[in-house]
Formats: sequence, structure tokens, C-alpha cells
Amino acid sequence: GAVVSQHPSRVICKSGTSVKIECRSLDFQATTMFWYRQFPKQSLMLMATSNEGSKATYEQGVEKDKFLINHASLTLSTLTVTSAHPEDSSFYICSATVGSTGNTIYFGEGSWLTVV
Amino acid sequence: GENVEQHPSTLSVQEGDSAVIKCTYSDSASNYFPWYKQELGKGPQLIIDIRSNVGEKKDQRIAVTLNKTAKHFSLHITETQPEDSAVYFCAARSMDMGRRALTFGSGTRLQVQP
Repeated sequence: GAVVSQHPSRVICKSGTSVKIECRSLDFQATTMFWYRQFPKQSLMLMATSNEGSKATYEQGVEKDKFLINHASLTLSTLTVTSAHPEDSSFYICSATVGSTGNTIYFGEGSWLTVV
Repeated sequence: GENVEQHPSTLSVQEGDSAVIKCTYSDSASNYFPWYKQELGKGPQLIIDIRSNVGEKKDQRIAVTLNKTAKHFSLHITETQPEDSAVYFCAARSMDMGRRALTFGSGTRLQVQP
């Protein structure tokens, strides 16, 4: 199946700093990528939809100035958590669509963010 | 928007038994229903999916059924093995223009007892 790679898999940062998470589609071109957030023992919650070359569409309640999403190419999307706080600590997962109809969606391995 | 409900939240079965997880969705326009397996600390792994033009799909020990009229779909795992233990999520995709993301169920923690 298609491969979606995330980096870093784990990151620890200090409060007030910014951290960037990369999501790459390794063997296909992803016109659309999605960013999810998952707290322990909970389901995945969509944060934003990222289309290549355009601004991301954020879900209600997600601060677009805090969670900066860039989708500059068909194989790379980045999520930057700005001015991170301990409550931003979570598991962040990206996914990407495959194929012209965009139906099949594959996920990356996720990135654990811990803000201390 | 789409709302997906998933039951049960936890499921414990003996090795070799079958496991069934059920989901309902709210948006009749949804046409894609994948199932994901998530192991601790890892991203979701697609295990099977079904589109709305099909009522059933099977892949070895895993099968999914879809009832569009009732708006529910189910995952069936036969001959369960300890390595099947994980959290399983169902999802649905709405056909709203511009909203192509998946909506997930709340997850089912499956424990297969050896």
C-alpha cells in the first residue's frame, strides 16, 4: 500500500517554543492531506484539511494561528505548533489521499509531541 | 456533518472466536467506509474498506458488511489471534464538497485472550 511518513516520531519541546512536524507521501502524489490529533485512549479528531498550493481548512475550534499548516508540494505537508504549551502535548497524525477519486486514505505513523 | 458511532468500546474474546464491531453513520451521502487497526503508539493502519456500491467485502479472516438503508456497517474478524489485539476504528467519508476527510468512530479496544 501507499506509504505516508511522518517526522519526527517523537519530539519534546519547551513551553513557548515552536515545533514543526513533517508529513510526506513517499510513493504517490497527495493532493490532499489531513492532520489529526489524538489524546490518549481517544479517537482521532480532525484538525485541518490541507490542499496542495492553497490555504488549509481548519475545523471549528482549531486555532489556525497556533497550528500552522503548509502544503507546498504534492508530497509534503507540515504542521507547526507555535508557542507550544503543555496542553498541546498529544499524538499528531497526518493522512493523505491516493488516487484520482481520493477515496483511499492512508495514515502516517504519528508524532508524539510533549511540551514541558 | 457526519457523525459516526461505534460499539462496543471494549471487546474481549477467546483466541479462535469471532469478533464483531458495529458502527452507524448519519450522513446518507457518505460513500466510503474504512476500518483501521491502531496499535499502541502507532498510526492507524488500514485493514479493510468498503464503498457504498458494495454490500460485503472479505479479505481472509476479515470481512465488512454495509447496510446503506440502515446506515450501519460492521467489521467481522474470524479465528481471532492474540496479534489481533488492538484498537479498531471505523470511519465514514462524507460527500460534502470540500470536506473529504474521514470522520472516526470512538474506537473499540479488542483483547484476544490466548
